[in-house]
Amino acid sequence: DAKTTQPTSMDCAEGRAANLPCNHSTISGNEYVYWYRQIHSQGPQYIIHGLKNNETNEMASLIITEDRKSSTLILPHATLRDTAVYYCIVRVRGDWAGKSTFGDGTTLTVKP
Amino acid sequence: EAGVAQSPRYKIIEKRQSVAFWCNPISGHATLYWYQQILGQGPKLLIQFQNNGVVDDSQLPKDRFSAERLKGVDSTLKIQPAKLEDSAVYLCASSLGGRGGRYNEQFFGPGTRLTVL
Repeated sequence: DAKTTQPTSMDCAEGRAANLPCNHSTISGNEYVYWYRQIHSQGPQYIIHGLKNNETNEMASLIITEDRKSSTLILPHATLRDTAVYYCIVRVRGDWAGKSTFGDGTTLTVKP
Repeated sequence: EAGVAQSPRYKIIEKRQSVAFWCNPISGHATLYWYQQILGQGPKLLIQFQNNGVVDDSQLPKDRFSAERLKGVDSTLKIQPAKLEDSAVYLCASSLGGRGGRYNEQFFGPGTRLTVL
C-alpha cells in the first residue's frame, strides 16, 4: 500500500480557504486518493476521492498533481465546524485492509 | 436515512473480563467493517465482512478477539479476555460493497469507547 505523509497540524482563519496537503510519492496507477475527516468524538466521515483528475463536491475540492505524487484538499470557506482530524488515504478502490489504514492525519483548527 | 448504529457507547471493564459490542449497519449495505482507534491514532481495520463472509481479518488478534455477522446484517465484536492495551474506541462502518455505490464510501457509526482497568 502507498504510504501518505501529512502535516501533524494546521490552523486556518474562519471564512478563509483551508488547504490540506498530502504526499503519496509511491502511489500506484490503480490507487485512489480518499479524504475522510473525524470530528471530535464522532466516527470518520467521507469527504471526497479521486484518481487523477481534480474533483469537487459540496464539501470540498481535491487537487491531484499531474504525477499523482501529492494532492491537496481544499475547504473553500472554512467554518468552526470544520475543526477536525483530516485523513488522506491511498487505496485500491474498495480495499480497506492494512495495518495503518487511516494514518494519523492532520488536525485542522479553524479559528474565529 | 438511518446511520450506522452501535451499542453500547461506553464500556468500562477490568482486565481479563469479556466484552461485546454490537453494530447495526445501514440497511442494504453488504460490507461491514470493524476498526480499533487508540487515542491519538487513526482507525485501524480489524475485520471486514462481505455479507456474512469474512473478507479480511489479518489485523484481528484472534487469540482474544472474535467477530460474527450472522444473516449478513448485524454484527458483534467480542474481546475475551480483555487486556489493558485494548482500551480504545471501536468503530463500525458499512458500505454498499461490490461495484455499487459511491466507490465503497464507508459510513461510520459513533463508536464504542472501551476502557480496560
